[in-house]
Amino acid sequence: AQSVTQLGSHVSVSEGALVLLRCNYSSSVPPYLFWYVQYPNQGLQLLLKYTSAATLVKGINGFEAEFKKSETSFHLTKPSAHMSDAAEYFCAVSAPRAAGNKLTFGGGTRVLVKP
Amino acid sequence: KAGVTQTPRYLIKTRGQQVTLSCSPISGHRSVSWYQQTPGQGLQFLFEYFSETQRNKGNFPGRFSGRQFSNSRSEMNVSTLELGDSALYLCASSSGTGGVGSYNEQFFGPGTRLTVL
Repeated sequence: AQSVTQLGSHVSVSEGALVLLRCNYSSSVPPYLFWYVQYPNQGLQLLLKYTSAATLVKGINGFEAEFKKSETSFHLTKPSAHMSDAAEYFCAVSAPRAAGNKLTFGGGTRVLVKP
Repeated sequence: KAGVTQTPRYLIKTRGQQVTLSCSPISGHRSVSWYQQTPGQGLQFLFEYFSETQRNKGNFPGRFSGRQFSNSRSEMNVSTLELGDSALYLCASSSGTGGVGSYNEQFFGPGTRLTVL
């Protein structure tokens, strides 16, 4: 079974500061990994994904994440926070060896951006 | 292309009733997945349908069911509603044509917020 742990349910950053959201996964094989963002009253939007290509993945809105197999981590970063980054972020995994689409999500991290 | 649409967006029901939620995927997408989002349990996978067949299933009681039509539209049904069924129900669609070892990006709809009183 796969699982995802996101450290910190809430993160507060100042505008212009580094955003770092932590995600650790548990899987018997290297999984596919994703970061999604959810704005209030909206669905989920894919920020970026790792599907066994380059370990440093660049996504939309200036976000990037690095897959580290030895640490079973897939942390999300953005060098400079913007007010529009205030949202909830979810890390998710899926199993490459299973047909179909089934995402297992972490608990989410709500980001507050202070002016 | 139009995105994933879900109807209704908001719904209020009472305990013991049943409810049907609808999801229209992106044109050409054949896979539809459903997720339940609650403050306590987070985002949990309910089931996935592909070409009118259930391909994956999460750990939910039999009160939760779904189906997919030939035009790929999907419905999920919850019978005998309980207070704990209050949640945001998200639908996601993908082309779904990839087999084992491949990945098809999922696109999420805005969700249906169900409140059970």
